[in-house]
Amino acid sequence: DAGVTQSPTHLIKTRGQQVTLRCSPKSGHDTVSWYQQALGQGPQFIFQYYEEEERQRGNFPDRFSGHQFPNYSSELNVNALLLGDSALYLCASGTGARYGYTFGSGTRLTVV
Amino acid sequence: KQEVTQIPAALSVPEGENLVLNCSFTDSAIYNLQWFRQDPGKGLTSLLLIQSSQREQTSGRLNASLDKSSGRSTLYIAASQPGDSATYLCAVRPWSGNTGKLIFGQGTTLQVKP
Repeated sequence: DAGVTQSPTHLIKTRGQQVTLRCSPKSGHDTVSWYQQALGQGPQFIFQYYEEEERQRGNFPDRFSGHQFPNYSSELNVNALLLGDSALYLCASGTGARYGYTFGSGTRLTVV
Repeated sequence: KQEVTQIPAALSVPEGENLVLNCSFTDSAIYNLQWFRQDPGKGLTSLLLIQSSQREQTSGRLNASLDKSSGRSTLYIAASQPGDSATYLCAVRPWSGNTGKLIFGQGTTLQVKP
């Protein structure tokens, strides 16, 4: 049973560019969340998608946007990249409030 | 505002030692608490999930406890091994509304020396 799959694993972008990260949830999961983890820090919640709608959002600017598709997979888009956007981006999937979340291996984004 | 703190930030122990990692949170209104392991540059691996109504969960050499009233959780690792070296993160899921987000501590980086 495949867990959470994220692509790409690594990415280098130039300041001002746009980037799209992708996530396929674990089989049976219908909720996808995105987190940003800076070096040496705990992950910070960006937003969560359920039934193709953004249900909750953390303290991130509108440059961060997302989408969930009918097959529950999700994309995270970041526009006008800043150097400070360099981080590990983690996708987590789940189903039901009682159950925990399963995380993917992450996408390492470097903005130069 | 819920805040999660993990102490210590780093810990180094000899192989075979039993150890305890601490996690504290400021708001006791949580749905559950989850402990994760993270290897350098990798994603998170879930270790244990404790519901708010539970006091502890066990998996192999790991035991996690939860004292919601005092805002504390501990992760006990028995007979530590070099392969246990990693960063351990705790995360709470707040009870408020229908929130699904997790709030993480900054982690404890564990080194187990052979």
